[in-house]
Amino acid sequence: KNEVEQSPQNLTAQEGEFITINCSYSVGISALHWLQQHPGGGIVSLFMLSSGKKKHGRLIATINIQEKHSSLHITASHPRDSAVYICAVYSGSARQLTFGSGTQLTVLP
Amino acid sequence: GAVVSQHPSWVICKSGTSVKIECRSLDFQATTMFWYRQFPKQSLMLMATSNEGSKATYEQGVEKDKFLINHASLTLSTLTVTSAHPEDSSFYICSASVPGEQYFGPGTRLTVT
Repeated sequence: KNEVEQSPQNLTAQEGEFITINCSYSVGISALHWLQQHPGGGIVSLFMLSSGKKKHGRLIATINIQEKHSSLHITASHPRDSAVYICAVYSGSARQLTFGSGTQLTVLP
Repeated sequence: GAVVSQHPSWVICKSGTSVKIECRSLDFQATTMFWYRQFPKQSLMLMATSNEGSKATYEQGVEKDKFLINHASLTLSTLTVTSAHPEDSSFYICSASVPGEQYFGPGTRLTVT
């Protein structure tokens, strides 16, 4: 079974700061998702990646397959970025996502 | 992008009654749909995997007679919580899958009084 660990669990930042959230997993995967969950509960898929790096606006996601590690970066953070960020990995053999415990991000104005 | 809807978004019901939650993929056909449950401050827990036209596969510890899943078409799956009890109060999330991607619904908050 794949173990997915996220760090930090909680993160408070000032508006404008550069933010990094980390995700490590124990078993080889076919894809990794970064998800965002706002206080209302709805989940938005930010990125799906299996190698390298992806960028969307102020968000950047990287993955190192050899080290079994991924990072989500937020540049010029804003209070509206406050949410829970969840890493989830997809192992083809398991045919389902395994979720990390999430990182609660609070960006203060 | 692909959109998944859930209905209702929140529901309050009395103990002993049954509640049905719908999950629809609005602009695509999903080969597989997943049902998750989330308790406060916790991550998502997979309850069952549903493929159109076949019986759902339940995760260990999830009672299939209590959480009835029907996957009537490639765009609709339903979860019925039967004889609900207060401990069933939770946030239920569905996702719809196509090869290589999963799209999540907005969730349904169930409160059983």
